[in-house]
Amino acid sequence: EVQLVESGGRSVPPGETLLLSCAASGFTFSSYEMNWVRQAPGKGLEWLSFISVTGNTIYHADSVKGRFTIFRDNAKNSLFLQMNSLSAEDTAIYYCARTSAEAYAFDVWGQGTMVTVSS
Amino acid sequence: SYVLTQPPSVSVAPGQTARISCGGDSIGSKSVHWYQQKPSQAPVLVVYADRDRPSGIPERFSGSNSGNTATLTISRVETGDEADYYCQVWDRGGDHVYVFGPGTKVTVL
Repeated sequence: EVQLVESGGRSVPPGETLLLSCAASGFTFSSYEMNWVRQAPGKGLEWLSFISVTGNTIYHADSVKGRFTIFRDNAKNSLFLQMNSLSAEDTAIYYCARTSAEAYAFDVWGQGTMVTVSS
Repeated sequence: SYVLTQPPSVSVAPGQTARISCGGDSIGSKSVHWYQQKPSQAPVLVVYADRDRPSGIPERFSGSNSGNTATLTISRVETGDEADYYCQVWDRGGDHVYVFGPGTKVTVL
């Protein structure tokens, strides 16, 4: 079964750092581009970060550029999001999502991990 | 940056047709994808590349894209179709970003 499982979300105070992980299974992880997407409580979807199959090409949304870093370990079938200087506005469910082979669409999503930034 | 617009809500009776619009400047020149999200669940891709359906998505879901508007059409609406729907494009110009629309809540009356 094709699956993505996020972990690492928790409650942290403002200014802290957090590392999110996404474990992939059921497909050849190293052949797919990957992304992080978040959803604040009661709000819509916000794309955050993209990484190519080798990790050599990375894009970040302006809202997290300079604070968040996406990276991957193909040997461990894992995707990561390093988040620094967290603020209350970063409170959200964080999803990892696979870019489909046919189009720039997200065809597989994890169940999400909740990050709460609060003092 | 590229902006997508969607109506906040659409209401439809069971068995009828729901149409959800997604507006953007010359969106017809882009490839549009649609996602369905039910409460407390992750999004699910229902239409990609304007009009194609992933395996397992009913034929009742269809898409079109032309000019400044893309449309997701749900035919013969069922109560299980009640959800939030988001359009998405890949904006190749400038910052190479993905853009989501604000979402449309579909209510089945």
